Amino acid sequence: KQEVTQIPAALSVPEGENLVLNCSFTDSAIYNLQWFRQDPGKGLTSLLLIQSSQREQTSGRLNASLDKSSGRSTLYIAASQPGDSATYLCAVYAGTALIFGKGTTLSVSS
Amino acid sequence: EAGVVQSPRYKIIEKKQPVAFWCNPISGHNTLYWYLQNLGQGPELLIRYENEEAVDDSQLPKDRFSAERLKGVDSTLKIQPAELGDSAVYLCASSLAASSNEQFFGPGTRLTVL
Repeated sequence: KQEVTQIPAALSVPEGENLVLNCSFTDSAIYNLQWFRQDPGKGLTSLLLIQSSQREQTSGRLNASLDKSSGRSTLYIAASQPGDSATYLCAVYAGTALIFGKGTTLSVSS
Repeated sequence: EAGVVQSPRYKIIEKKQPVAFWCNPISGHNTLYWYLQNLGQGPELLIRYENEEAVDDSQLPKDRFSAERLKGVDSTLKIQPAELGDSAVYLCASSLAASSNEQFFGPGTRLTVL
């Protein structure tokens, strides 16, 4: 059974820092991996989608990498801002539905 | 382009009452998902539709939950009767197709059962 783990569960950083969020999954047979952002009381906003054949994807200050063989993905956020404060969820897709981790709650202080 | 629309955004009911949630996916998206998110957890799949067909409902508690997607567009998820443990956020998502496509989520319906 696929399991997704996100470390750390919570992270607090000062504005301007670069940071890395980690995601690991137990079964490497995935089609893709998706990173989401969730603000309190809101739905999920898709940040980046990495297909299984890709190694990384970039969008603005965000860069996500995928190492399928080791079951790992990282989300790199450059020059963090207070507006980046949210919960970040990683999810893998293996043909039926997304399997999510519990998320990393990020707090960026000004 | 409009995103995934869900209503209501919030619902408070007494236990044993029925409740229904509605979802309208992004236009042209054939695959529709209902997920359940408990506090502090990631979403978990309840049911997946390909057009009007429910192709994966193995996680749907069929004794009290039901869903439909008439005409392969919008969908309704129902709970009857609701229990205290059903308090959660119910999320709807859609994608162009099931395989390898990006999923887009609606704002969710937060259900509180008293």
